Amino acid sequence: QQQVKQSPQSLIVQKGGISIINCAYENTAFDYFPWYQQFPGKGPALLIAIRPDVSEKKEGRFTISFNKSAKQFSLHIMDSQPGDSATYFCAASLGGYQKVTFGTGTKLQVIP
Amino acid sequence: DVKVTQSSRYLVKRTGEKVFLECVQDMDHENMFWYRQDPGLGLRLIYFSYDVKMKEKGDIPEGYSVSREKKERFSLILESASTNQTSMYLCASSLAVYTEAFFGQGTRLTVV
Repeated sequence: QQQVKQSPQSLIVQKGGISIINCAYENTAFDYFPWYQQFPGKGPALLIAIRPDVSEKKEGRFTISFNKSAKQFSLHIMDSQPGDSATYFCAASLGGYQKVTFGTGTKLQVIP
Repeated sequence: DVKVTQSSRYLVKRTGEKVFLECVQDMDHENMFWYRQDPGLGLRLIYFSYDVKMKEKGDIPEGYSVSREKKERFSLILESASTNQTSMYLCASSLAVYTEAFFGQGTRLTVV
């Protein structure tokens, strides 16, 4: 049972464009929603995270939008750059011991 | 800088062997995790530990066990390796709830 559904599986965006990755979750008890970025040969690294008491969080070119009623959240990458080419994972966790459930990942390619 | 170190980058083992994957973190983190990463399936939690000698099953614990005798070290054990355990294994640690999980670079295990 996939508790966090992520789409699309892959994405090609032109340099300067907006990359959008969507996630949906089922468990309404989730209370922490991080996004991780993974480059080839490396482990994932935290990019940005949001709690459900806010609807949007922005850090530089990266924005998380959160819709609690729809149980959906998304990552927007503005002015996408070739250096943003990586695999992105959304995730959700319950409080307490931070058992994190990951989405299936989106491979982003930004072409010049 | 937080460092999570996995003992091997690449490992080849035979079916039926007992396999130990070691992970060490240097930041006195409470929580440690073992994930496996497979194409199209994202990261799936195998086991996690929130304290020395404490462990909890993740989503796919079958065929695995763990050991945490010291705070900085978390070992994943494949009791009798099988070909369907061929995968990338990622260790992570975090200080507390709602905080970033830091990942190691992964161990690519091939079971032949």
